[in-house]
Amino acid sequence: EIVLTQSPATLSLSPGERATLSCRASQSVHTYLAWYQQKPGQAPRLLIYDASNRATGIPARFSGSGSGTDFTLTISSLEPEDFAVYSCQQRSIGFTFGPGTKVDIK
Amino acid sequence: EVQLVESGGGLVQPGGSLRLSCAASGFTFSSYNMNWVRQAPGKGLEWVSYISTTSSIIYYADSVKGRFTISRDNAKNSLYLQMNSLRDEDTAVYYCARRGLDVYYFDSWGQGTQVTVSS
Repeated sequence: EIVLTQSPATLSLSPGERATLSCRASQSVHTYLAWYQQKPGQAPRLLIYDASNRATGIPARFSGSGSGTDFTLTISSLEPEDFAVYSCQQRSIGFTFGPGTKVDIK
Repeated sequence: EVQLVESGGGLVQPGGSLRLSCAASGFTFSSYNMNWVRQAPGKGLEWVSYISTTSSIIYYADSVKGRFTISRDNAKNSLYLQMNSLRDEDTAVYYCARRGLDVYYFDSWGQGTQVTVSS
């Protein structure tokens, strides 16, 4: 099973700041990686797929990069609605999710 | 508008059974592969099961293999998860999730249904 680890577990930032979230895979997943946003009591929402492609309707402040085992989700300037939990997911072998990074208000 | 609405969750004793349903609307259900994904309290997401459009291909996570059965009824635009021999560790919110046609990830999700396994 491919294990995904995310860091940091919590990121405390202020609106307007840049957020950089990391996802690392236990073996190469090529670019078969997605990022999801989840707010309390809500279902996850697909943000980024295939490492760097924004899903439909996702603002340009969200961007993804990486390949192989190391991936990054960047939020260029945090809006109030961006404070949430972000999870990565691979589909290279089966489907596994990372444990998530919580972005909260500093 | 795409809608996925889960139902059937509840409180069940260890060893018991539940059947979850997911009603789909707003898209051509029969054209999409579907999944169940769960989230235990305070934990990350865990993929549970996958079913192809015609039910010809089915996969399960090791943690539920032999106990859970996924199925679908395209005429009723519905997805199901039969859960038997439930364990404490099956306690979670269960989501149905659509796999996209061109985007091979979970592009639409329901709001989830709570399953609690406890004596």
